[in-house]
Amino acid sequence: KAGVTQTPRYLIKTRGQQVTLSCSPISGHRSVSWYQQTPGQGLQFLFEYFSETQRNKGNFPGRFSGRQFSNSRSEMNVSTLELGDSALYLCASSLEGGSYEKLFFGSGTQLSVL
Amino acid sequence: DAKTTQPPSMDCAEGRAANLPCNHSTISGNEYVYWYRQIHSQGPQYIIHGLKNNETNEMASLIITEDRKSSTLILPHATLRDTAVYYCIVRVVGAGNMLTFGGGTRLMVKP
Repeated sequence: KAGVTQTPRYLIKTRGQQVTLSCSPISGHRSVSWYQQTPGQGLQFLFEYFSETQRNKGNFPGRFSGRQFSNSRSEMNVSTLELGDSALYLCASSLEGGSYEKLFFGSGTQLSVL
Repeated sequence: DAKTTQPPSMDCAEGRAANLPCNHSTISGNEYVYWYRQIHSQGPQYIIHGLKNNETNEMASLIITEDRKSSTLILPHATLRDTAVYYCIVRVVGAGNMLTFGGGTRLMVKP
């Protein structure tokens, strides 16, 4: 069974631009979550989608948004990029998001904002 | 969320058991303890989880104290490839996959 797939693996953007990151969950998984990892703040939860609906949201500005498609694939978008948005963005999936379920992470997208 | 406390770093000799402690004194009765590890620049990897009983799988063992206020992850025979940051997480019921990661423990396995 294929794992969580994130594309692209690396991305370089300049300030003010926007970016879209993609995540394909493990087949059969309906819950997809996004995390941001920076050296200063560590791993922080961005949002979670389940059945195309945002179920939980972390403490990030509105420039960060996401969506989930009917096949459970998810995208996240960051508009008006800032230097501080440089980070590893991780996607994770599980069957339904229950607290007894294993959560599987992808390898991440490394975003550099210049 | 129940907060977890872990030592920032630990060393272990290759071939020896690595015992990584975690304190979660405010855990609620229905909250699971999960352990993940992250090797540099990769996504976190699931290791093991438990509610109140000790658990063992092919990767590790999880020992949870009777009062559930602390736990220990045991890697029975550490190898150099086990060098990573280990995160202890308490999963809140009803919070979906909104996990709160602390700083974790940086385990260095030395030859």
